[in-house]
Amino acid sequence: SAVISQKPSRDICQRGTSLTIQCQVDSQVTMMFWYRQQPGQSLTLIATANQGSEATYESGFVIDKFPISRPNLTFSTLTVSNMSPEDSSIYLCSVEDGGAYEQYFGPGTRLTVT
Amino acid sequence: AQKITQTQPGMFVQEKEAVTLDCTYDTSDQSYGLFWYKQPSSGEMIFLIYQGSYDEQNATEGRYSLNFQKARKSANLVISASQLGDSAMYFCAMRELYQGGKLIFGQGTELSVKP
Repeated sequence: SAVISQKPSRDICQRGTSLTIQCQVDSQVTMMFWYRQQPGQSLTLIATANQGSEATYESGFVIDKFPISRPNLTFSTLTVSNMSPEDSSIYLCSVEDGGAYEQYFGPGTRLTVT
Repeated sequence: AQKITQTQPGMFVQEKEAVTLDCTYDTSDQSYGLFWYKQPSSGEMIFLIYQGSYDEQNATEGRYSLNFQKARKSANLVISASQLGDSAMYFCAMRELYQGGKLIFGQGTELSVKP
């Protein structure tokens, strides 16, 4: 299975600032995904990041708030912009592994906004 | 409409015993996949097992097996010979195969293994 890393693993940020989260995969993958997990909640998909095209956002998530880059088949970034305490969550990237439908997740970025 | 339902917010099991975590799903698609993930307190999501809608055999991975009952739309996770390290949140998820790679998650079940 793909090995996925994320940076930073955790951060504490002040409201109004922005944080960029990096996701690196050890193999080329077509589809990468960004999820949010608010405290005590389940995971919700923010967007699908495909190389060479604009990210596709889910209902309730907009590009101005969560801009995503996907410069190549092994890397993606998610920026959380103009943060508020409600953005305090774990942010996870995931990839679909090759021809199988199995999805693997990175270790997550635990964000606290004060 | 909620597509994945996990009705057990919390479960307890004695070490070395088996435990079943319930999951029901709702979809009108014929092609879909069902997943189980484990999330320890560290926050990482660990892939456990996958079942495709056309798979005739129940999926197994070591101590994990998926009891797939298509007509009842259930995909329960069975963990055999529970270990203390199995204590974690467990999430059931579904992927409708023609809706991109989006996973829809249930609310999770917190499993506690007692020594």
